[in-house]
Amino acid sequence: SQKIEQNSEALNIQEGKTATLTCNYTNYSPAYLQWYRQDPGRGPVFLLLIRENEKEKRKERLKVTFDTTLKQSLFHITASQPADSATYLCALGGGGFKTIFGAGTRLFVKA
Amino acid sequence: DAGVIQSPRHEVTEMGQEVTLRCKPISGHDYLFWYRQTMMRGLELLIYFNNNVPIDDSGMPEDRFSAKMPNASFSTLKIQPSEPRDSAVYFCASSPELGAGRLNEQFFGPGTRLTVL
Repeated sequence: SQKIEQNSEALNIQEGKTATLTCNYTNYSPAYLQWYRQDPGRGPVFLLLIRENEKEKRKERLKVTFDTTLKQSLFHITASQPADSATYLCALGGGGFKTIFGAGTRLFVKA
Repeated sequence: DAGVIQSPRHEVTEMGQEVTLRCKPISGHDYLFWYRQTMMRGLELLIYFNNNVPIDDSGMPEDRFSAKMPNASFSTLKIQPSEPRDSAVYFCASSPELGAGRLNEQFFGPGTRLTVL
């Protein structure tokens, strides 16, 4: 069955450093991959989409890579800030527009 | 725009009772999704609609769950009878359009935290 794995452990980093989150998947060939941010008590908020034929996508301090051979996406936040502390979800989409979400990785950025 | 509106925000009920969750999508959005989020299973898609028509309900856990979308501005998710294992946060999301070349961005509501005792 389709499976998405994100770092189950929380990621703690110092302000100003680059945070790198990992999303691995199996038994799936997604047409695209998305990253969402979720704050406590709130719904997820869309950040970025990268398609299967794209290697890298950037938006301000965010960078996403997508390796369909490794079946992996990396999500980077450069010059991280305490306000970046949240849970980050990766989501795979494809035929039928059905989206499958990972469990998320909690990021803590310390001042 | 007020965004996706869900009600109630919190619901506490006893096992065996009927529970109805409500959602108002963003005006003009053609797609509506219902998700369930738990610590154990993460965010799971239950069902989604396109232009008020259910497209994929394969995520609905069992017959106790039903969803309707009588018009473009309203949807309900009903659980009857409810069980303690249904306790979770239920999210409604809407999307303006989906397809190749699109962002396929989903806009989530604040969720309904359901506790079944």
